[in-house]
Amino acid sequence: GQQVMQIPQYQHVQEGEDFTTYCNSSTTLSNIQWYKQRPGGHPVFLIQLVKSGEVKKQKRLTFQFGEAKKNSSLHITATQTTDVGTYFCADITSGTYKYIFGTGTRLKVLA
Amino acid sequence: DGGITQSPKYLFRKEGQNVTLSCEQNLNHDAMYWYRQDPGQGLRLIYYSQIVNDFQKGDIAEGYSVSREKKESFPLTVTSAQKNPTAFYLCASSPGTEPSTLHFGNGTRLTVT
Repeated sequence: GQQVMQIPQYQHVQEGEDFTTYCNSSTTLSNIQWYKQRPGGHPVFLIQLVKSGEVKKQKRLTFQFGEAKKNSSLHITATQTTDVGTYFCADITSGTYKYIFGTGTRLKVLA
Repeated sequence: DGGITQSPKYLFRKEGQNVTLSCEQNLNHDAMYWYRQDPGQGLRLIYYSQIVNDFQKGDIAEGYSVSREKKESFPLTVTSAQKNPTAFYLCASSPGTEPSTLHFGNGTRLTVT
C-alpha cells in the first residue's frame, strides 16, 4: 500500500535550536495533515495543507507543502521543552476517508 | 464535552484469547478508524468505517475484526490469529466530509502474554 516516510526518525536538540522533519512520498500526496503526539498521549491535529507550494505558520511552527505535492516539512524555530513529542504527517487519499500516517519523527529537547 | 472514549486504558490477556477493545464517540462523526502503534513506530491503519454497517480493511487487518452497528460505536476484536497483538491501539473519528481532521481517543494498551 501507500507509504509515507518521515526523516529523521529521531532528533535530539538543545533548547533554542531549530528542528525540521520531512515527509516524503513516492506518489502524489492529496492533502497533508500534521499531528503531534506527546509522550504517553494521543495524536492531536496541528494543521492541514492542500495546495501545491502552500506555506502556513503557527507561531514558531512553519509547515510547507512541496511544489510537486510529493513532500512536506515542519520546521520549529527556537525549540522549547514543550515541543517534545512525536510529529506525524498524514495523507488523506483523495475520494476516500483513508488516512495514511507517516512513520513519525520523535523530538527530544534538552534544557 | 464531546469526545472519543476508549476503554479500558490497559488490558492484559493470555495468548490464544480473543479480546474486544471498545471505542465510543459522541461527536456525531460518520467515519471511525482503528490504528495500531508499536514502540517507536508510526500509526498503522487496521480498519476504518465511513458509515454505519460498512467498513473497509486497512493495511494490517489480518487477525482483527470490527463491527459498526451504531454510529457511535466501533469495537475492535483482536483475535487469536493476530500473531503479535501486544501494542497501543488508537481509535479515531472524523466528520467524514473531506478534508477533515481526525480526533483520537486516549488509546488502549494491550499486553498479551
